[in-house]
Amino acid sequence: GDSVTQMEGPVTLSEEAFLTINCTYTATGYPSLFWYVQYPGEGLQLLLKATKADDKGSNKGFEATYRKETTSFHLEKGSVQVSDSAVYFCALKGSARQLTFGSGTQLTVLP
Amino acid sequence: GAGVSQSPSNKVTEKGKDVELRCDPISGHTALYWYRQSLGQGLEFLIYFQGNSAPDKSGLPSDRFSAERTGGSVSTLTIQRTQQEDSAVYLCASSLGRGTGNHGYTFGSGTRLTVV
Repeated sequence: GDSVTQMEGPVTLSEEAFLTINCTYTATGYPSLFWYVQYPGEGLQLLLKATKADDKGSNKGFEATYRKETTSFHLEKGSVQVSDSAVYFCALKGSARQLTFGSGTQLTVLP
Repeated sequence: GAGVSQSPSNKVTEKGKDVELRCDPISGHTALYWYRQSLGQGLEFLIYFQGNSAPDKSGLPSDRFSAERTGGSVSTLTIQRTQQEDSAVYLCASSLGRGTGNHGYTFGSGTRLTVV
């Protein structure tokens, strides 16, 4: 079945540092891939998505590229801010009718 | 409404009692999902409703869990004879429907259930 494996957290960075959160997946066919973000006390929000191989999703300075050859969708940001502190979830929509989520990565950015 | 609304936001219940959690999806969204988020874990799929089709209950962890969706809109998740392991945040999401590969979901803020 479909599955998503995320880099385990927590991740702590200083402001303006470079961020990478690794995500790999297992799925049949050609899944769509997503990153969701959950800020403290809030619900999950869609951050970015990519629906086919080599697509790059981007939003709020975050980027992720759909790499079919490595079955990966790593999240990156060149310069993080304190306001980026949140839990980040990688997810896929494959053969199942619902999204399959990774376990989440807690990011804390220190001033 | 403008977003997915869940109530209550917090619920503390005694072990063995029944609880009902409510989800009001975005108007016009035909698909509705329930997930459970336990401490330090990812989102566990529970149940999926699509229009008037029979729901996909494949994620429900036991027969103590049930859900219904009335009139294709509001959904209620019921947990009978609650156990301490049921403590978690229960998240509801809705989407436009079968094309979720492109649309993604809109999530509510969740109901934090604590069983004491």
